[in-house]
Formats: sequence, structure tokens, C-alpha cells
Amino acid sequence: DAKTTQPNSMESNEEEPVHLPCNHSTISGTDYIHWYRQLPSQGPEYVIHGLTSNVNNRMASLAIAEDRKSSTLILHRATLRDAAVYYCILRPNQAGTALIFGKGTTLSVSS
Amino acid sequence: NAGVTQTPKFRVLKTGQSMTLLCAQDMNHEYMYWYRQDPGMGLRLIHYSVGEGTTAKGEVPDGYNVSRLKKQNFLLGLESAAPSQTSVYFCASSPMGGGPQETQYFGPGTRLLVL
Repeated sequence: DAKTTQPNSMESNEEEPVHLPCNHSTISGTDYIHWYRQLPSQGPEYVIHGLTSNVNNRMASLAIAEDRKSSTLILHRATLRDAAVYYCILRPNQAGTALIFGKGTTLSVSS
Repeated sequence: NAGVTQTPKFRVLKTGQSMTLLCAQDMNHEYMYWYRQDPGMGLRLIHYSVGEGTTAKGEVPDGYNVSRLKKQNFLLGLESAAPSQTSVYFCASSPMGGGPQETQYFGPGTRLLVL
């Protein structure tokens, strides 16, 4: 399975943008890039996913490098509620595969 | 829609005791999953189900059994609990399984302590 690398932790201030990086240099051409987050004492929550083009939804934006070896999850205005562990996960084009969670990036948000 | 619910929220067991964790979803999803999360770690897949009456092993299946008698329910059983099974257990469901665009919906978790 292709592997992802994320920083262990990041800090942000409330109301500021946050850029969470993910490296996936061994990504294959058909792997989708997914992001989930896990708020304290809760189950993981889907954030966004994409293949090649940048993606936007109500929660965040996903910027994918042209060579697809890295991606960045962008929270446009961090709030205290965005403090969570963020997981970058690759999903192969293959049935029956599980989500493979690494340790993710712990985002702290200060007021 | 309640989404994915898990019962119980917290349980303490003694070594050797048995118990069943219940996961229920009201989204008519075909696929359901059981994960465990140990402190400071990501989630690991225990078992999953691709539909009513079918189950399959995940990454860490030993010591666990599952059943999917009804589409909306997925049960995780521990026949003889061990301290190594102390963990937080998460259930998830998805409308389609394993595809590259699959989105999984998670329950709130069951915290299990085995003494």
C-alpha cells in the first residue's frame, strides 16, 4: 500500500487559514487522496477527497500537486472546533480495501 | 437520521469474560466495518461486512467474531476478553465498499477496558 507522511502536530490561531501537508511520493495513478479528521473523543469524520484536480467543499479545500506526490488540506478560517487529528489516506482503485489510518496530524487551535 | 450508533458507550470487563458490541446504522448502507484504536495510534480494521450475512477479516481479527444478520446491524463479539483488547472500538458504514471514492461514516465509539 502507498504510504503517506504527515507532520505529527501543527498549531494555528483562530480565524487564520491552516495548511495541513501530506506527502505521498509512492502514490499510484489511480489512488484517490482522502482526508478524515477525528475530534477529541469522537469517531473519524470524512472531510474531503480528490484525484488530480483541486477540490472544495463546505468544510475545506484540497490542493493536489501536479505530480500528485503531495497534497494540502486547507481550512480557510480555523475555529476552535477544528482542533482535531487530521488523517491523509490513499484509496486505491480496488474493491474491498480498508481505510488505512496513520497517526495523522494533531491540529491545535488557539483563540 | 441517527447515522451510526454504538452500544454500549463504555464497558469494563474482567479477563476471560465475553461481550458483544452492537453497531446500528439507519442509512441503508451495504458495507459495515469494525475498527479498534489504541492510544496515540490510528485505527486498525478488525472485520468488515459487504452485505447482510457476509463478513470478512481485516488487519487484526484474532480474538474477535462478527455477525451481520440484519443489514442495519453489525455485531462484534469478544468470546474471552484479554487486557490486550483494551481499546476504543469504532464502527463505520458506507453505501459502497472499497472503491476509491468510498466515504465511511463512523459511530461515536465504544471504550472497552479489560482488567
